[in-house]
Amino acid sequence: EAGVAQSPRYKIIEKRQSVAFWCNPISGHATLYWYQQILGQGPKLLIQFQNNGVVDDSQLPKDRFSAERLKGVDSTLKIQPAKLEDSAVYLCASSFPWGGENTEAFFGQGTRLTVV
Amino acid sequence: KNEVEQSPQNLTAQEGEFITINCSYSVGISALHWLQQHPGGGIVSLFMLSSGKKKHGRLIATINIQEKHSSLHITASHPRDSAVYICAVRARGGGGGADGLTFGKGTHLIIQP
Repeated sequence: EAGVAQSPRYKIIEKRQSVAFWCNPISGHATLYWYQQILGQGPKLLIQFQNNGVVDDSQLPKDRFSAERLKGVDSTLKIQPAKLEDSAVYLCASSFPWGGENTEAFFGQGTRLTVV
Repeated sequence: KNEVEQSPQNLTAQEGEFITINCSYSVGISALHWLQQHPGGGIVSLFMLSSGKKKHGRLIATINIQEKHSSLHITASHPRDSAVYICAVRARGGGGGADGLTFGKGTHLIIQP
């Protein structure tokens, strides 16, 4: 079974530039999560999708971050403009069927973003 | 607010030693995950448990729901076990609403040959 695919693996940009990350979840997984993991900390949930709808985006800095999952499959996370403190690993995860209480989440390899 | 605390933060041990990593949390949960993260950043799920004990190879995970505590044990540790081990919990009552995991900060384990 193919896992959660993310690209790119690494990205270096200058502050105030824009960047986009892509995630392809495991086939059939209705729930998709984006997490931000700053060095030395555990991942923090940014946004959760159920199919193409947003379930929780309370911790997404909406002035600069946006995410979409238009067809309920792939998702993109964008940062515009980037700040130095956005340097982190961005992890995508997916789960099946409806993200219920005992649903296991599967994680991608992550995208390591460095803002200089 | 759900807090997830892990100990120790860093652990260096010799090959063959028995390793224990602890996780405590503050709210009622429906499930607890133990995850392994290698330097490249990718995360692999080791265990998901809501009661009792699970074993997979040299890894054992236990949870005490009443005490809000879980432990991950590694027997006969090996250098390839070197990684960050992360405890994450799913608060009870996820249902159809938001159910993102709350993560601990991780335990950085180094096993020396």
